[in-house]
Amino acid sequence: ETGVTQSPTHLIKTRGQQVTLRCSSQSGHNTVSWYQQALGQGPQFIFQYYREEENGRGNFPPRFSGLQFPNYSSELNVNALELDDSALYLCASSLPTGQGLNTGELFFGEGSRLTVL
Amino acid sequence: AQSVSQHNHHVILSEAASLELGCNYSYGGTVNLFWYVQYPGQHLQLLLKYFSGDPLVKGIKGFEAEFIKSKFSFNLRKPSVQWSDTAEYFCAVNAPGGFKTIFGAGTRLFVKA
Repeated sequence: ETGVTQSPTHLIKTRGQQVTLRCSSQSGHNTVSWYQQALGQGPQFIFQYYREEENGRGNFPPRFSGLQFPNYSSELNVNALELDDSALYLCASSLPTGQGLNTGELFFGEGSRLTVL
Repeated sequence: AQSVSQHNHHVILSEAASLELGCNYSYGGTVNLFWYVQYPGQHLQLLLKYFSGDPLVKGIKGFEAEFIKSKFSFNLRKPSVQWSDTAEYFCAVNAPGGFKTIFGAGTRLFVKA
């Protein structure tokens, strides 16, 4: 069973730039969620993708966007980076349920640590 | 809005001591409850979960948690900790039929050998 993999593991950007983070979901999982974990805080929900569409979103501005591909892998894009975007970005996949909902049982990747200077 | 509160941000224990980490959530309806753990250098992983039924749930590595509905609590316990339990522990809640899981701020546990 292949787990959730994310790339890159670390990256440094400057304010105003754009970044793309990538995630491959665990085998058999069709739903992918993205979380932002700032230093000293718990993960915060950004959005979820199911069947290549965003079907749930947290309190993040539109410059945070994503994609899901037919093989269930996903991308997180952040435009116009701000200093406060510095965080660990976690991708999580979940077991298939009806209509793209999830039980909260999540399988996480190791994350992409983004530093914005 | 849903929220999760973890009582302790940092806990230091000696090996063989008992552990209890507090977790309270705010949500009026039925919830699924979780404890996730992140060991040093590893990814976040599920420790145990509660969906329904017996409010005392057992997870991996001897951990257990008790759901007390009247107190909106889901405290994590272990009778005797080991050095290898050093990690960060996150309590989380998800409303069934939803898509968002809410995490607490985490508790860093350090176990002295």
